[in-house]
Amino acid sequence: ELKVEQNPLFLSMQEGKNYTIYCNYSTTSDRLYWYRQDPGKSLESLFVLLSNGAVKQEGRLMASLDTKARLSTLHITAAVHDLSATYFCAVALTGTASKLTFGTGTRLQVTL
Amino acid sequence: ETGVTQTPRHLVMGMTNKKSLKCEQHLGHNAMYWYKQSAKKPLELMFVYSLEERVENNSVPSRFSPECPNSSHLFLHLHTLQPEDSALYLCASSLAVLSYNEQFFGPGTRLTVL
Repeated sequence: ELKVEQNPLFLSMQEGKNYTIYCNYSTTSDRLYWYRQDPGKSLESLFVLLSNGAVKQEGRLMASLDTKARLSTLHITAAVHDLSATYFCAVALTGTASKLTFGTGTRLQVTL
Repeated sequence: ETGVTQTPRHLVMGMTNKKSLKCEQHLGHNAMYWYKQSAKKPLELMFVYSLEERVENNSVPSRFSPECPNSSHLFLHLHTLQPEDSALYLCASSLAVLSYNEQFFGPGTRLTVL
């Protein structure tokens, strides 16, 4: 059974600071997704990581994937209040493209 | 309408009621999904449809009955639900089941079972 763990579960950070969210998973996978969810809203796709060593950046967010360590990171640079949301990673088992297993989410709160 | 839409956005029902959730995608995708999001639990995949055929059923109780009449529409029929079924139900779609493309999510239906 694939398990996906994120940490921390809750992160309070000041504007302008940097921080990293970690996503560990238990079984071999060749793709990993990051999503953002605002309170009361749906999930918004942020990144799709498809190979070992993949790195993608969008604004102040950068995601990377290490398939050998079964680890993905979401790095936040110089946080701003607008980044406050819950961030989820999701992993698909190799060969099962449709079945995503989600992490528990990291609730990020950026304070002024 | 663009993306993935869901109706209703909020639903309150008694345990003896029968109701249906509707999802529609305007993206030309061939795969559609139902997820359940409960408080303090990870998102759980319930059903997967590919070109109107169910390809995944994740040990979901029979009181939840999905229907996919065409590749753009997905329904979740509900009957004799329990209070623990109260959750946010999210619909998603992707280009195809066997693709690496991300899934696009609808806004969800907030369901409360009394």
